[in-house]
Amino acid sequence: DQQVKQNSPSLSVQEGRISILNCDYTNSMFDYFLWYKKYPAEGPTFLISISSIKDKNEDGRFTVFLNKSAKHLSLHIVPSQPGDSAVYFCAAMFMNDMRFGAGTRLTVKP
Amino acid sequence: KAGVTQTPRYLIKTRGQQVTLSCSPISGHRSVSWYQQTPGQGLQFLFEYFSETQRNKGNFPGRFSGRQFSNSRSEMNVSTLELGDSALYLCASSSRTGEANYGYTFGSGTRLTVV
Repeated sequence: DQQVKQNSPSLSVQEGRISILNCDYTNSMFDYFLWYKKYPAEGPTFLISISSIKDKNEDGRFTVFLNKSAKHLSLHIVPSQPGDSAVYFCAAMFMNDMRFGAGTRLTVKP
Repeated sequence: KAGVTQTPRYLIKTRGQQVTLSCSPISGHRSVSWYQQTPGQGLQFLFEYFSETQRNKGNFPGRFSGRQFSNSRSEMNVSTLELGDSALYLCASSSRTGEANYGYTFGSGTRLTVV
């Protein structure tokens, strides 16, 4: 059951431009959302999160937007850097349960 | 502080065998979750343990089982291995406190290959 969906398996952007990664969820009980970044042969590392009581959270170059009515969240990276190239997973939580999307591979070209 | 440690890093098994993977959480973390990562499927939730009790379980067959010890270390077992079980198995430990990510920290994973 894919309760969290990332419909774009890959995204390619030019260095310095904005990267927008999208995520949709189906379970309205989710109340906390996270983004993780993953390099090959490593575990995912936490990037940024947002509570369902907010619609935006910003941390440096990373901003997460939450649209609860649309059950949609997005991660904006501005400006994008080559070191941002990785697989990005969105995750949604409710109580003891965290579910992930399938991931989006971001490639930032110099 | 030491991170989440998963052993072994790599494993090759034949169909029909069984395998046990180990996860040592960050000291003080009582919650351990297991995930399976396969290409195109992302991270699929297997189960979560807290204080030696399984609190939540994903949609995996009964061949996948786990347990947690009193020191919070956790093991995952897969019996009667199938080729489709080849994947990266990740565990994450959590403090379940007010940190921004609920303290969820992942290990580097165990790469299981079934031949």
